[in-house]
Amino acid sequence: AQTVTQSQPEMSVQEAETVTLSCTYDTSESDYYLFWYKQPPSRQMILVIRQEAYKQQNATENRFSVNFQKAAKSFSLKISDSQLGDAAMYFCAYRSDNNNDMRFGAGTRLTVKP
Amino acid sequence: EAQVTQNPRYLITVTGKKLTVTCSQNMNHEYMSWYRQDPGLGLRQIYYSMNVEVTDKGDVPEGYKVSRKEKRNFPLILESPSPNQTSLYFCASSLWAGDPYNEQFFGPGTRLTVL
Repeated sequence: AQTVTQSQPEMSVQEAETVTLSCTYDTSESDYYLFWYKQPPSRQMILVIRQEAYKQQNATENRFSVNFQKAAKSFSLKISDSQLGDAAMYFCAYRSDNNNDMRFGAGTRLTVKP
Repeated sequence: EAQVTQNPRYLITVTGKKLTVTCSQNMNHEYMSWYRQDPGLGLRQIYYSMNVEVTDKGDVPEGYKVSRKEKRNFPLILESPSPNQTSLYFCASSLWAGDPYNEQFFGPGTRLTVL
């Protein structure tokens, strides 16, 4: 079964600085999808960014970008110009192409210091 | 407003007392799913549904039941809750069941405590 590992339980960053959250996954499949979700204190799950494994180009959404390394099975999230509102728990998730189950990592709690 | 709603938002119950957590979406989504969130474990999928009358087990289905009789509703049933089912539960939905790239929209969560 596919597994998703987030090795950093907690991270902190200074406001306006850049931070990178790590995610690795284990799979034998060639086609799949990767996601980063944000969970602020309100508990609402919010999609931050997503990547299709067959696309080599890294996804970007405003201040959020990913570094997708398929061979290394790595999918890190970079947050540039960090803002106080970025403080949240961040979850990395994997979804197969051939079924609809979804696997999440344990999460990384990000603190943004003013 | 397009949304996924869950009820109740908070529930404290006792071991063995059957309960149902409702989930409803108003976006005509095909796919719906239930997750539980526990500290240090992230979210784990309980059950999912590709469409009406089509459900399948996720990663941790033991102790739970679901049904999908209408497209908009996907209730989670705990026939005999136990303390190890104390958790934060999320319902989610996405437009097309056959497209894993679809964004999943999550409900606000249900905090369940089983004493």
